[in-house]
Amino acid sequence: TQLLEQSPQFLSIQEGENLTVYCNSSSVFSSLQWYRQEPGEGPVLLVTVVTGGEVKKLKRLTFQFGDARKDSSLHITAAQPGDTGLYLCAGISSGSARQLTFGSGTQLTVLP
Amino acid sequence: DTGVSQNPRHKITKRGQNVTFRCDPISEHNRLYWYRQTLGQGPEFLTYFQNEAQLEKSRLLSDRFSAERPKGSFSTLEIQRTEQGDSAMYLCASSPGTFSGNTIYFGEGSWLTVV
Repeated sequence: TQLLEQSPQFLSIQEGENLTVYCNSSSVFSSLQWYRQEPGEGPVLLVTVVTGGEVKKLKRLTFQFGDARKDSSLHITAAQPGDTGLYLCAGISSGSARQLTFGSGTQLTVLP
Repeated sequence: DTGVSQNPRHKITKRGQNVTFRCDPISEHNRLYWYRQTLGQGPEFLTYFQNEAQLEKSRLLSDRFSAERPKGSFSTLEIQRTEQGDSAMYLCASSPGTFSGNTIYFGEGSWLTVV
């Protein structure tokens, strides 16, 4: 069974601070996705990273895929209250292109 | 709204009763997925359809669970003889093709509470 561990599980910070969320696995994934989920809604895709070492930026969010394609990080610069939500990483293995393996999520709260 | 639609959004049922959830995927998406999510956890894969064919089922999908997609459009997920452990949010998602190069779109989920 492939597992994705996210850390920290909970994070509460003040507006304007920076933060990093980590997603780690002992398994190799062909690609990895990050989602954000708000209460009562389904996850919404933020980014897909495919190449080992890849870095993608989405405004104040920076996503990195580890060289070995086993881990990833999400860095948020100058967090805003609107960034509050559950951040989920999800791995796609080369053996099954039809299902995502999700991490347990990081609940981020940005206080004004 | 042309997103993935799920109903009912919330269902409270007594233990032992049967429940059915419906999912209407984005039009022309031939792939449809069901996931289950409990509080504090990420979604867990349950099953997957390509058109009307159910191609993959997780071991989480016990005999009490059945999913159908009879005409390759909407799908239903039925849980028979519900147990308290079935309480969760059931998420439906669809995509036009494989994950690589195609985004998967999730619905807002159907919350099930078994009392």
